[in-house]
Amino acid sequence: EVQLLESGGGLVQPGRSLRLSCVASGFTLSNYAMSWVRQAPGKGLEWVSAISGSGGDTYYADSVKGRFTISRDNSKNTLYLQMNSLRVEDTAVYYCAKVYITGTTVRFDYWGQGTLVTVSS
Amino acid sequence: SYVLTQPPSVSVAPGQTARITCGGNNIGSKSVHWYQQKAGQAPVLVVYDDSDRASGIPERFSGSNFGNTATLTISRVEAGDEADYYCQVWDSSSDHPGVFGGGTKLTVL
Repeated sequence: EVQLLESGGGLVQPGRSLRLSCVASGFTLSNYAMSWVRQAPGKGLEWVSAISGSGGDTYYADSVKGRFTISRDNSKNTLYLQMNSLRVEDTAVYYCAKVYITGTTVRFDYWGQGTLVTVSS
Repeated sequence: SYVLTQPPSVSVAPGQTARITCGGNNIGSKSVHWYQQKAGQAPVLVVYDDSDRASGIPERFSGSNFGNTATLTISRVEAGDEADYYCQVWDSSSDHPGVFGGGTKLTVL
C-alpha cells in the first residue's frame, strides 16, 4: 500500500525558513518523480514543485522559484521542500504527491494527508 | 502560462447527472486528470487521461475532452459525491508545467 507522510509544518514568521519532509512507503521512491502541491485556507490546489526520480530535474511554480528548493534522498525514502524567505501568502496545507508519467503527461496518483504551514508575525 | 477555468459551483439532485467542465485553450490536445477532494481530506485521483477511471472509482464517473472543454460526468449522483473537483494538466512546454483548475464545488441537493 502506497503511503506518503508529510511533516515539518508549523507557525513561522515572515522571512524565516522551514523544511518539509515526506516519507514514502509501499513503492520504490527512486523509480518515481514526486511533487509538492499546496492549498491555501479555503482556496484551490496550487502546484508548487516537482522533481525527477533521480533528482536531476526540478521544476517550480513562478510563485516560489528562487525561494523554495525541492530535493530527495532515495536511500531514506524521503522527499523534501526547503522553504526560504517565507511570505504570508505561502500559508497553506502542503501535500506531497507521487507522480505518474505517461508520454508527455503527468498526474498525481497518490497524495499524503498534508502538513499545515502558517506564516505570520 | 496555461489557464484552466472551472465553474465555482454545480448543484444537482440525488440520482441526477452532474457535469463539471474545465475550459482551456485547445485543451483537447492535452491529457486531463480529475481529482475529488472531500471536506478536510486530501485530493483523490478519480479520472486520468481524459476518460480512464482510477482504481476503485465507480463506473458512475466518466470523462471526456474535446476542443476547448474537458468534462467530468457523474451519473446517478449520490450524497457521498459532494466534494470539490479539480481538473489538472501538465503543460510540458512551460517552465512551470503543473496546472490546476480553480475547482468546482459539487453540491448534492
